[in-house]
Amino acid sequence: KQEVTQIPAALSVPEGENLVLNCSFTDSAIYNLQWFRQDPGKGLTSLLLIQSSQREQTSGRLNASLDKSSGRSTLYIAASQPGDSATYLCAVCTMDSNYQLIWGAGTKLIIKP
Amino acid sequence: DGGITQSPKYLFRKEGQNVTLSCEQNLNHDAMYWYRQDPGQGLRLIYYSQIVNDFQKGDIAEGYSVSREKKESFPLTVTSAQKNPTAFYLCASSLTGDLKYSNQPQHFGDGTRLSIL
Repeated sequence: KQEVTQIPAALSVPEGENLVLNCSFTDSAIYNLQWFRQDPGKGLTSLLLIQSSQREQTSGRLNASLDKSSGRSTLYIAASQPGDSATYLCAVCTMDSNYQLIWGAGTKLIIKP
Repeated sequence: DGGITQSPKYLFRKEGQNVTLSCEQNLNHDAMYWYRQDPGQGLRLIYYSQIVNDFQKGDIAEGYSVSREKKESFPLTVTSAQKNPTAFYLCASSLTGDLKYSNQPQHFGDGTRLSIL
């Protein structure tokens, strides 16, 4: 059964640093992988969606990469800002989940001014 | 502005009581979803509906029920059979229920926090 893991569970970095968030999955037979952001007590906002045939997607200061063979995705955030503080979740769409999303537990990111 | 509205924001359930969480969308999306979020865990799918008058169980459907009588609405009832209902409940929608090849992500409401009295 597909499992999605995000390590570390929490991360604190000074403002201005470039950083990488990790997402790993156990079954490489995925259709797509998505990254979301969640602010405290709020719903999720989609950041990037990578199809299985793609290697990366970019939006502004965010870049997500996908390596299906190794079961890994990374979310790169350039020049971090305090407003980037949030929990970042990844999710994969696979056949064994009846094509629904399977979610990681997220990484809570704190950017210190 | 188009979006998803969940109400209430906070809800308290008494022993033996059924409670209903509301979810309304004006995005004209075909598919709608209910997730449960517990601390330190990923979102878990309760129920989903790919079209009006049809819905399927997710991974943790026991103790919950839904209906999809209108495209815009997908209410979730937490029944007394759900013995551990305290959690953050999130409703989402997507343009299509075919998530395999879609490049359209799910849109989320702001959630309902349910607690036991």
